[in-house]
Amino acid sequence: GAVVSQHPSWVICKSGTSVKIECRSLDFQATTMFWYRQFPKQSLMLMATSNEGSKATYEQGVEKDKFLINHASLTLSTLTVTSAHPEDSSFYICSATGRGGRSYEQFFGPGTRLTVL
Amino acid sequence: DAKTTQPTSMDCAEGRAANLPCNHSTISGNEYVYWYRQIHSQGPQYIIHGLKNNETNEMASLIITEDRKSSTLILPHATLRDTAVYYCIVRVREKTSYDKVIFGPGTSLSVIP
Repeated sequence: GAVVSQHPSWVICKSGTSVKIECRSLDFQATTMFWYRQFPKQSLMLMATSNEGSKATYEQGVEKDKFLINHASLTLSTLTVTSAHPEDSSFYICSATGRGGRSYEQFFGPGTRLTVL
Repeated sequence: DAKTTQPTSMDCAEGRAANLPCNHSTISGNEYVYWYRQIHSQGPQYIIHGLKNNETNEMASLIITEDRKSSTLILPHATLRDTAVYYCIVRVREKTSYDKVIFGPGTSLSVIP
């Protein structure tokens, strides 16, 4: 299947700092990328959907000014957690879908573990 | 909101078949049934999907009832590495449109030695 990577795989930061997480589609053009968050022992919760070249659409209850999403190219989307606090500690997972053949499917990255001290 | 219901947890003996049920009584005609699984601290992994016919691949089999209101994922010979949370999802899958994947709570499968 198609490959989606995330970087970093884990990050620890101090409260008040900003953290950027990258999501890349390695072998297809990702016209749409999705960002999920998962707290311990809970299911994945969709945060936002981003289409290449346009503003992201955020799910209800997700602060767009806190979770900045940029999808500037067909292979890269970034999620920036601004002024992170301990309650933002979570597992962040991206997924991507594109066009053409199996790219219509949604492929998931391996996730990024964020710990805010 | 998730459109499926699944048991919260299940156990299965190693080497036996694991049968994971899913109810999707409000499924629409253009919605497919998808199964993903998530091993602890990893991203979700695609397993299989189907519309109305039974499907089989190297990982699992998917049995969909004739009325399409429920389905069963079958892992024919469960191993300890199959211990994971299994998610049943219904979504539109067409050539030029698709639904985003919305996860419910899933079924936590424990394969026991």
